[in-house]
Amino acid sequence: AQKVTQAQTEISVVEKEDVTLDCVYETRDTTYYLFWYKQPPSGELVFLIRRNSFDEQNEISGRYSWNFQKSTSSFNFTITASQVVDSAVYFCALSEDMDSSYKLIFGSGTRLLVRP
Amino acid sequence: DSGVTQTPKHLITATGQRVTLRCSPRSGDLSVYWYQQSLDQGLQFLIQYYNGEERAKGNILERFSAQQFPDLHSELNLSSLELGDSALYFCASSASGTGKTTNEKLFFGSGTQLSVL
Repeated sequence: AQKVTQAQTEISVVEKEDVTLDCVYETRDTTYYLFWYKQPPSGELVFLIRRNSFDEQNEISGRYSWNFQKSTSSFNFTITASQVVDSAVYFCALSEDMDSSYKLIFGSGTRLLVRP
Repeated sequence: DSGVTQTPKHLITATGQRVTLRCSPRSGDLSVYWYQQSLDQGLQFLIQYYNGEERAKGNILERFSAQQFPDLHSELNLSSLELGDSALYFCASSASGTGKTTNEKLFFGSGTQLSVL
């Protein structure tokens, strides 16, 4: 069965530190999608990235970067030079259903607190 | 602003009651999704509609039902409410909602906070 594990419940860092959020997934499918979402204190869910299982290239977007490794079933998320505005709960998610790309299985989330 | 509108923002009701949550997708989006975020279950997918028809089903209870209308807005109906149904219910929309669209994003509304007392 599919599963997403975010072992880090809460992380606290000081502003400007780098921080990595871990995500490990389980799936029997060879074709699947992985996602990261951000949930700031205001409550809405903000899309950060979608990656399909055929694309193992790492991606960088500004201070954000993602490391996808199929060999270890991990899709880790790194924030470089963290800022207070990065404080939020971050969710990793998996989708196996090719007819519905957003039938998402979410991890339990990692709460990131960035202190000034 | 994601462009997805959910009403009401907050709902307080009693056990045994029935409520309806409403969602208007982003202009042009054909797919609507419902998710539930609770302390016990975390975030979980409930159901997806595409252009008026059910496309995918997740962990949706039989007491819950949804529909998508011709104008593409969607309603999630929760009946015989129990204390454990208290949660934040999110609606989201996407342009098509199939796995074949590689760059398609999912946009979430701000949620309806349901409290069952």
